[in-house]
Amino acid sequence: DTGVSQDPRHKITKRGQNVTFRCDPISEHNRLYWYRQTLGQGPEFLTYFQNEAQLEKSRLLSDRFSAERPKGSFSTLEIQRTEQGDSAMYLCASSSGTAASPLHFGNGTRLTVT
Amino acid sequence: DQQVKQNSPSLSVQEGRISILNCDYTNSMFDYFLWYKKYPAEGPTFLISISSIKDKNEDGRFTVFLNKSAKHLSLHIVPSQPGDSAVYFCAARPNTGGFKTIFGAGTRLFVKA
Repeated sequence: DTGVSQDPRHKITKRGQNVTFRCDPISEHNRLYWYRQTLGQGPEFLTYFQNEAQLEKSRLLSDRFSAERPKGSFSTLEIQRTEQGDSAMYLCASSSGTAASPLHFGNGTRLTVT
Repeated sequence: DQQVKQNSPSLSVQEGRISILNCDYTNSMFDYFLWYKKYPAEGPTFLISISSIKDKNEDGRFTVFLNKSAKHLSLHIVPSQPGDSAVYFCAARPNTGGFKTIFGAGTRLFVKA
């Protein structure tokens, strides 16, 4: 169990630029989740995948956000035309997909939009 | 709408004493409840959970209590240690769909030596 890995750890970008984050889940986990966390708040659900299928998207996820999980392995989260309000910690988590199985989080990607 | 609420942003406790962190929820469809701990610059890590069919679950120094009628749960840490200083998130999920986990805003625990 090597844990959930996220890359990069930090990203600073100018408003209007596109950014892409990567998440490598625990290999035997079939479910992958993206969350966003801002200062003083808990993680907010964005979207999740079961294998390669994206099964739910939060209304927080505007059309500037897109996520993929090709072949059910790693996942990418892309934000197009970034805005200052996109500045946050983006967390990826994976789980084995049973009700009792907890989420295993990576250390997150901190995005700063200037 | 905040389905999971942690009304205390912070809590300070003396080393060796009990820490009690509280959480309230509003959604009756929640079937499983979890606590996560988060240190700075790290992602949240799972601590302990409880199913809605139970009212108590214990793991070492950590015990979670669930009161379904009051839609309230609490995390007890006994005895508290300085290394327990972190942000604690209460979380809940339904037993359907994607088991989407909803988090509270967190309580920052300070354990003083």
